[in-house]
Amino acid sequence: GAVVSQHPSRVICKSGTSVKIECRSLDFQATTMFWYRQFPKQSLMLMATSNEGSKATYEQGVEKDKFLINHASLTLSTLTVTSAHPEDSSFYICSARFLAGGTSSYNEQFFGPGTRLTVL
Amino acid sequence: AQSVTQPDIHITVSEGASLELRCNYSYGATPYLFWYVQSPGQGLQLLLKYFSGDTLVQGIKGFEAEFKRSQSSFNLRKPSVHWSDAAEYFCAVGAQAAGNKLTFGGGTRVLVKP
Repeated sequence: GAVVSQHPSRVICKSGTSVKIECRSLDFQATTMFWYRQFPKQSLMLMATSNEGSKATYEQGVEKDKFLINHASLTLSTLTVTSAHPEDSSFYICSARFLAGGTSSYNEQFFGPGTRLTVL
Repeated sequence: AQSVTQPDIHITVSEGASLELRCNYSYGATPYLFWYVQSPGQGLQLLLKYFSGDTLVQGIKGFEAEFKRSQSSFNLRKPSVHWSDAAEYFCAVGAQAAGNKLTFGGGTRVLVKP
């Protein structure tokens, strides 16, 4: 259980185009999803928190007009990199928060396999 | 705000030898602690987690970690490494008060010598 998928796994695009990445929770509903960015040989950095039915919350320094996030359903969040440039090339990973319920006071995140974006 | 430090950027270990990866965290409330492993070009796989209770936590692939509140540490150990353990390892702390956001350490790359 608690499987998260991402599509596509790899994408190559030309500079100036827009790219959409999908994040799906396959066997649970996720009111909150998170988008991370990872540069080569570096750690994951949180970009934004995606909340179903409302606007995403962006971390400081992340351009919200550049990285559009839509969380239209309880199982799908999308990240659109608009007018992509070579510096946007990176590994993008999403996670979905699982509402454990019961006595658990922490709702764990489950990660997707990542999307490698290369902008030429 | 929470933070995580993994002091060792690289560790090289011989196959069959023991492994310990260090993780220190800073967080004012009860920490929720995680260790993840990432193979090249892949996503994150959860090795183990600590929420409460027994401070020695057993995970998958023969890994364990010990939470030491007095030292603000959550070190990962494995008694005998296999070549397949070569990967990047990330320690993370979750903040319930911050909407369950995860903060990751910088990662430790483990190389396994035959």
